Amino acid sequence: DTGVSQDPRHKITKRGQNVTFRCDPISEHNRLYWYRQTLGQGPEFLTYFQNEAQLEKSRLLSDRFSAERPKGSFSTLEIQRTEQGDSAMYLCASSLGPAAASDEQFFGPGTRLTVL
Amino acid sequence: GEDVEQSLFLSVREGDSSVINCTYTDSSSTYLYWYKQEPGAGLQLLTYIFSNMDMKQDQRLTVLLNKKDKHLSLRIADTQTGDSAIYFCAETTYNTDKLIFGTGTRLQVFP
Repeated sequence: DTGVSQDPRHKITKRGQNVTFRCDPISEHNRLYWYRQTLGQGPEFLTYFQNEAQLEKSRLLSDRFSAERPKGSFSTLEIQRTEQGDSAMYLCASSLGPAAASDEQFFGPGTRLTVL
Repeated sequence: GEDVEQSLFLSVREGDSSVINCTYTDSSSTYLYWYKQEPGAGLQLLTYIFSNMDMKQDQRLTVLLNKKDKHLSLRIADTQTGDSAIYFCAETTYNTDKLIFGTGTRLQVFP
């Protein structure tokens, strides 16, 4: 499978715990995006990387959230001291970057986080 | 500002055409997209249109863009039960590469 993969697919945690999600983009893609989708809403942008550089962060990304892409390949999204309001589907997407005409973003299946 | 809106539900009979509408506020849109989301599946890009185009056709899908009114529509011809899903419109703009999504339209196709 050469698509975007995410791990884990589901995560249940207790409030106050830390969680970390992983995203593996399509291999030749330079850009990697994180989005969050809550029930009944469209995905909301969190942050994105061009190779290993984090180029933009949303105001939604509080200081409890941190994302990394250390070698420009896979990325991790960590949430510290989780709150019930963090319960959502966390989506990762990747794209070729400015070289592509439309810079289509390909989405992974998502990680569903439930905070009890 | 960034705001993309869609109607929440659409119900059509199998074989009829479906038209899903979207309005946006940012006049600096570059590309506009339609994504499909099925239960348990990831977002699938259906089609996109560059902001200087008026129309794009791709098999059963027709995208119309009225840039003056900031209105985007997706027409699905000969709608099938397999088309039942949530459809999101999204845009990118000149000053950012992030996707700005609408709230989604749930399409239900009945026999």
